[in-house]
Amino acid sequence: GQSLEQPSEVTAVEGAIVQINCTYQTSGFYGLSWYQQHDGGAPTFLSYNALDGLEETGRFSSFLSRSDSYGYLLLQELQMKDSASYFCAVRDGSNTGKLIFGQGTTLQVKP
Amino acid sequence: EAQVTQNPRYLITVTGKKLTVTCSQNMNHEYMSWYRQDPGLGLRQIYYSMNVEVTDKGDVPEGYKVSRKEKRNFPLILESPSPNQTSLYFCASSTSGGLNEQFFGPGTRLTVL
Repeated sequence: GQSLEQPSEVTAVEGAIVQINCTYQTSGFYGLSWYQQHDGGAPTFLSYNALDGLEETGRFSSFLSRSDSYGYLLLQELQMKDSASYFCAVRDGSNTGKLIFGQGTTLQVKP
Repeated sequence: EAQVTQNPRYLITVTGKKLTVTCSQNMNHEYMSWYRQDPGLGLRQIYYSMNVEVTDKGDVPEGYKVSRKEKRNFPLILESPSPNQTSLYFCASSTSGGLNEQFFGPGTRLTVL
């Protein structure tokens, strides 16, 4: 089966840079997704990496290393509104829509 | 406006009373999925559907049923709810197998007494 590991909590100050790591164990790999969820709200899609390297979207970037079974989400110029939970997700096997999410990382941004 | 809608948003019910949570999307997405979210456990997939009339089990399907008779609708059915199904439920849809951008509904908070 698949499993993902993320830190449970991260704290950073406004304006700083923070990195949220995700390591995965899979029988096959079909890409890594990241989602953001504010307290009580619906998750929203941030990024998807299928190939190695860095994908940048504004203040957020996502990195993938398939050889290390590892990815991270990088948030720059942190703002108070970035306080939320962040989840990584992978597909469980080929030709399937079964998805596995990590348990989530709660990011607290302090003034 | 492109969106996923769920109804009801909040529901308190009693053990054993059958209920259905509806989910509808207006984006013509092939893929739809149901998740439950419990504190400390993240999102766990209940069932998913790759297209009309095609459904399959996720990680935690026990106690749930789904159907996909039309592309836009994917209802979640609890035939005999139990207290351990008290949770926050999300429906989601996407264009391609779910790993790319999924759009989530606003959630349904269910309490089973």
